[in-house]
Amino acid sequence: DAGVTQSPTHLIKTRGQQVTLRCSPKSGHDTVSWYQQALGQGPQFIFQYYEEEERQRGNFPDRFSGHQFPNYSSELNVNALLLGDSALYLCASSLASGGETQYFGPGTRLLVL
Amino acid sequence: AQSVSQHNHHVILSEAASLELGCNYSYGGTVNLFWYVQYPGQHLQLLLKYFSGDPLVKGIKGFEAEFIKSKFSFNLRKPSVQWSDTAEYFCAVNRAGGYNKLIFGAGTRLAVHP
Repeated sequence: DAGVTQSPTHLIKTRGQQVTLRCSPKSGHDTVSWYQQALGQGPQFIFQYYEEEERQRGNFPDRFSGHQFPNYSSELNVNALLLGDSALYLCASSLASGGETQYFGPGTRLLVL
Repeated sequence: AQSVSQHNHHVILSEAASLELGCNYSYGGTVNLFWYVQYPGQHLQLLLKYFSGDPLVKGIKGFEAEFIKSKFSFNLRKPSVQWSDTAEYFCAVNRAGGYNKLIFGAGTRLAVHP
């Protein structure tokens, strides 16, 4: 049973660039959530996708956008990167129906220079 | 505002010592509560969860947590820690029955010395 997978594992970008991170949910899961974990802090909710639509959003600017595909995989896009976007980006999957437990992937570590 | 507070940022223990990590939350309505663990170099893993029923919840690796509704607390305990418990521990909460975004605490970094 495959768990949550994310790619790439590490990424280095410069300010102003754009980045796309990818996530494949755990087998059987239909909901994907994205979190940002800055150094020394707990993960912060960015948004959640279900049925290819953004269902809920945290307190993040419009530079952060996402997409969910028919196979339930998801992308997180960040435009106009800032130094403060450097963080570990976590993807979590769950079941929309009664699946209130989220399972996390290994994350993508983004460094913005 | 919804929030989770973890009282200790760093805890250092010797092997066989008892562990208690505090967690308090501020969240209106019925909640689900979670403890996640992040071992060095590994991803976040679910340690235990509380949805309803018996407020004393047992998880993996000998961990347990007690939900005290009147105190808005969900403290994590282990009677005897091992070196392999060295990790960062996160308490999290979400709203029961709704969209399940998680609100996390800042984490507690536990170091266990042999």
